[in-house]
Amino acid sequence: DARVTQTPRDKVTEMGQEVTMRCQPILGHNTVFWYRQTMMQGLELLAYFRNRAPLDDSGMPKDRFSAEMPDATLATLKIQPSEPRDSAVYFCASGSRLAGGSKSDEQFFGPGTRLTVL
Amino acid sequence: TQLLEQSPQFLSIQEGENLTVYCNSSSVFSSLQWYRQEPGEGPVLLVTVVTGGEVKKLKRLTFQFGDARKDSSLHITAAQPGDTGLYLCAGNRQRYGGSQGNLIFGKGTKLSVKP
Repeated sequence: DARVTQTPRDKVTEMGQEVTMRCQPILGHNTVFWYRQTMMQGLELLAYFRNRAPLDDSGMPKDRFSAEMPDATLATLKIQPSEPRDSAVYFCASGSRLAGGSKSDEQFFGPGTRLTVL
Repeated sequence: TQLLEQSPQFLSIQEGENLTVYCNSSSVFSSLQWYRQEPGEGPVLLVTVVTGGEVKKLKRLTFQFGDARKDSSLHITAAQPGDTGLYLCAGNRQRYGGSQGNLIFGKGTKLSVKP
């Protein structure tokens, strides 16, 4: 069945290192979201794309985070340099505008990448 | 400031008990969604409510959207261990036809149902 896939599932790195997380959205979905989940803040939207164009990345620290969609089957989230406060679970989700523009848009989440920055 | 407040934060009950969790805000939402998240997985959509006062049922789960579309509740009847998980509400602030990206999540209610 169709699912959002994310790699890696777990990443442990040292402060200052570059981290790249990848996401494959469900085929045919035209919207991709990146979220970060922590105990303190819950689920926070970092950025989202529609038809591969970035629509909103206001939730993302611009100095170290970058998000791209090189093609319709791949979304990437990069942190450079990483810091301990970036430790969190990062989720990618995809969705598509329902027929008729319904308000009930569903987002399908991947399993997440658990990032630990030492 | 958390736009969506969920309560309680944690809930531990015995199998067979009933429970209600709440999702409150001072903002109006065009629609509201409930997700369940299990450990090591991403959230999975349970239901979307779009009309003030709307009630939706999903087996033993009953979801209600407030008349003013500012709050919602989830009631579980005869809870089972399989209901254990993190329940998240998410509100869409955009008007009909607006951007899908304005989904605001609450911090969730962590439910544990003991056999």
